[in-house]
Formats: sequence, structure tokens, C-alpha cells
Amino acid sequence: DIVMTQSPDSLAVSLGERATINCKSSQSVLYSSNNKNYLGWYQQKPGQPPKVLIYWASTRESGVPDRFSGSGSGTDFTLTINSLQAEDVAVYYCQQYYSIPFTFGPGTKVDIK
Amino acid sequence: EVQLLESGGGLVQPGGSLRLSCAASGFTFSSYAMSWARQAPGKGLEWVSVICANNNSTYYAGSVKGRFTISRDNSKNTLYLQMNSLRAEDTAVYYCAKDSGDSCYSPIDYWGQGTLVTVSS
Repeated sequence: DIVMTQSPDSLAVSLGERATINCKSSQSVLYSSNNKNYLGWYQQKPGQPPKVLIYWASTRESGVPDRFSGSGSGTDFTLTINSLQAEDVAVYYCQQYYSIPFTFGPGTKVDIK
Repeated sequence: EVQLLESGGGLVQPGGSLRLSCAASGFTFSSYAMSWARQAPGKGLEWVSVICANNNSTYYAGSVKGRFTISRDNSKNTLYLQMNSLRAEDTAVYYCAKDSGDSCYSPIDYWGQGTLVTVSS
């Protein structure tokens, strides 16, 4: 199974500042045939289901604010939240859908400093 | 508008069975792979199962393989999860999710609100 790790476990960022979350997979999730990274990012606010932010590592879902961006390839990925807003307080998960069983990272909790 | 409405959760004794349903609307159900994921109380997300749309293949997490069965009825736009031999560690909110393509190897793009399954005596 591919093991997903995230760092940090939690972070507190001032309003308007940048939050950076890292995600690492135990093996590459880059499919060479189509040059796509099978990696998604999800946001989960308290008491709500997850919501997709990013897929294919860097493609923003329709309607997601452009302060959210994804980057990385192979085994190392980053979710960046530029100019953090109060409504961004949530837990963020990465997930690989390259190899079954698909696996999630443990989550990173983002709070306001 | 995509809507996914789970039902069938509840309290069940260890060793018991439960069938979850997910009524889908707002998209052509038969054209998309569908997934189940779960979240134990206060814990992170765990992928459970997926059923492809292109060939109806099914796949499972090791923790549920042999006990859970995913299926779909395209005529009713409904996804199912039959859960047998339930254990205390299966206690979780179960989410139905729509994938973005017909292949099982597609990202999830919509999640339902979830239904709580509690396994306890």
C-alpha cells in the first residue's frame, strides 16, 4: 500500500498570510503514460463532509478560490493557501488514487494565529 | 446540481449486518465511478471501496475486503454498501462519493453528507 504522510500535523497562520502543507507518498503517484500525478487535496470543515480543492496535483476544482494552489510531482506535493481567510480554518487531506487501496494522508489542521 | 444522499446507518451489534444506500441525482449516474469512504469519530478519512462505471469492477480496502460489498443499480441511480460481520472498529461516518470519470482511477469530485454507523453491543 502507498503510505501518505503530511506535515505539519497542524499550523496556525495569521489572517492574510500564507499557509503551506506538505504531502509525501511512499512511492511515486506519477503515471508516465499520461504524465499525470494521481493526487488530490480535500478540505474538511468541522461538522461537514470533505470538499475537493485540487486534483491531478495542481488542477483547481471549479469554484475553488484561486488562493488555493497545488504543486509537486512524483512523491512530494504541496498545498498552498495564499492570504489565509477565516473561512479556511479546516483540516486538509491529500489522497492518492494511483494505486489501490487509495490512501489518504493523516490530515493537517489549519487555524488562525 | 450533484446530490448524494446516504441512508441506512444506525446502531448494530458486533457480527451484524447493515446495508447503506446512496441516492444520486444531478448527473448521469451510470457514467461515473462511485466510492465509499469513512471517518471514525475524531479521526481522519479512510478509503473503503470503489466501483467503476466502465466495467463495473470493484475494489476494497484490506480492512473490509471479504466483509463489505459495493454495488450499484444504474436504473435507480443508487449506490450500495453491504456490510457484514461488522466490528467495533467499523464505527464511523460513511461517505458516498462521486468520482470525476468512469474509471476507478479518477479523483473524487463530490461527497455526500455521510451516515453514521455504530457497531456496539
